[in-house]
Amino acid sequence: AQSVTQPDIHITVSEGASLELRCNYSYGATPYLFWYVQSPGQGLQLLLKYFSGDTLVQGIKGFEAEFKRSQSSFNLRKPSVHWSDAAEYFCAVGAGSARQLTFGSGTQLTVLP
Amino acid sequence: NAGVTQTPKFRILKIGQSMTLQCTQDMNHNYMYWYRQDPGMGLKLIYYSVGAGITDKGEVPNGYNVSRSTTEDFPLRLELAAPSQTSVYFCASSGRDLLREQYFGPGTRLTVT
Repeated sequence: AQSVTQPDIHITVSEGASLELRCNYSYGATPYLFWYVQSPGQGLQLLLKYFSGDTLVQGIKGFEAEFKRSQSSFNLRKPSVHWSDAAEYFCAVGAGSARQLTFGSGTQLTVLP
Repeated sequence: NAGVTQTPKFRILKIGQSMTLQCTQDMNHNYMYWYRQDPGMGLKLIYYSVGAGITDKGEVPNGYNVSRSTTEDFPLRLELAAPSQTSVYFCASSGRDLLREQYFGPGTRLTVT
């Protein structure tokens, strides 16, 4: 069965600083990988996804992620964080006949002014 | 275009009561999912459906039932509510194509006391 690990429960960065959120996955085949963001009291919004091809994928809100098969990682990055990026971020792997998602436990991002 | 809608937004149940969480999507998506999110945790899949009349169990199905009589609706039934079912419940849907993402509803916050 697939699994997703987000080793950082909480990250704090200053506004304007760069950001990297870590995600490691375990899956026997080529993974379908996603990053979602959840603002307080809201549902989940897709930031970006990877299925195949170019290992560096661009998403919304200036986010990007890099798939590294050798490290089983799919880390999320942003060059300059904005206060509005404060939220919880979830990495997920999709598998199965319905591409059911298995989520990591999330990383809470705090942005300092 | 409303996307995925869920009702109610909030509900308090007494132990042993039953209720149905409603989920409707207007995107003509074949695939629908129910997840629960416990504090500090990622989302866990309860049930999913690949089309009208077809449902299957996810990771944490005990204590829940689903039905899918139409493409649009995917209600989640809680029988004999227990405190362990206190959670936030998210419904999601996705289309048929290989690159499909899941679109999430705003969630239902359920407390069982």
